[in-house]
Amino acid sequence: DARVTQTPRHKVTEMGQEVTMRCQPILGHNTVFWYRQTMMQGLELLAYFRNRAPLDDSGMPKDRFSAEMPDATLATLKIQPSEPRDSAVYFCASGFDRSTDTQYFGPGTRLTVL
Amino acid sequence: GESVGLHLPTLSVQEGDNSIINCAYSNSASDYFIWYKQESGKGPQFIIDIRSNMDKRQGQRVTVLLNKTVKHLSLQIAATQPGDSAVYFCAENRPGGGADGLTFGKGTHLIIQP
Repeated sequence: DARVTQTPRHKVTEMGQEVTMRCQPILGHNTVFWYRQTMMQGLELLAYFRNRAPLDDSGMPKDRFSAEMPDATLATLKIQPSEPRDSAVYFCASGFDRSTDTQYFGPGTRLTVL
Repeated sequence: GESVGLHLPTLSVQEGDNSIINCAYSNSASDYFIWYKQESGKGPQFIIDIRSNMDKRQGQRVTVLLNKTVKHLSLQIAATQPGDSAVYFCAENRPGGGADGLTFGKGTHLIIQP
């Protein structure tokens, strides 16, 4: 049963600290997405990659967020420095590069910035 | 701007009854729609999808209906069970097409009464 995995599942940190979230997409999927979910905004797309290349990161605050794919099995999302308003659940999803294909979500990282 | 939205934030139904969750979309260029189910503490889980060249698609106990004339999408769940309690999101593909990130509605919380 192939699944997207994310670590850590929970992270509590203090304002100003660096936070790194990791995602392992489903083997064979070539498109990876990062979403943020809050009660107020719902699910928002932050960035996505295809074949490890960043295609769109317009949803990310550029000054503090960065997303990378060091290899096909790992995607990372970093926040530096973190702020209380970054508190949210961050989801990674992966899929195939086809016009009508769904995305499969990981369990999420619940981030709390104090 | 154009967006996906849901009519009702909360829907309560009796166990065993059928439920219908509605979604309105405003982007006439969208050609692919997905329903996701999200249980507490988990990531969105794919339920069913439909392309714009279809009006109806059935799965196991679920049916998605697409009315392009009024830009309306609905999810029907037959014989609801306690495990169906969750938040349900509709999503549409972005105007750029393909699996290039989805625009999600705010979600409907389905509550199954015993």
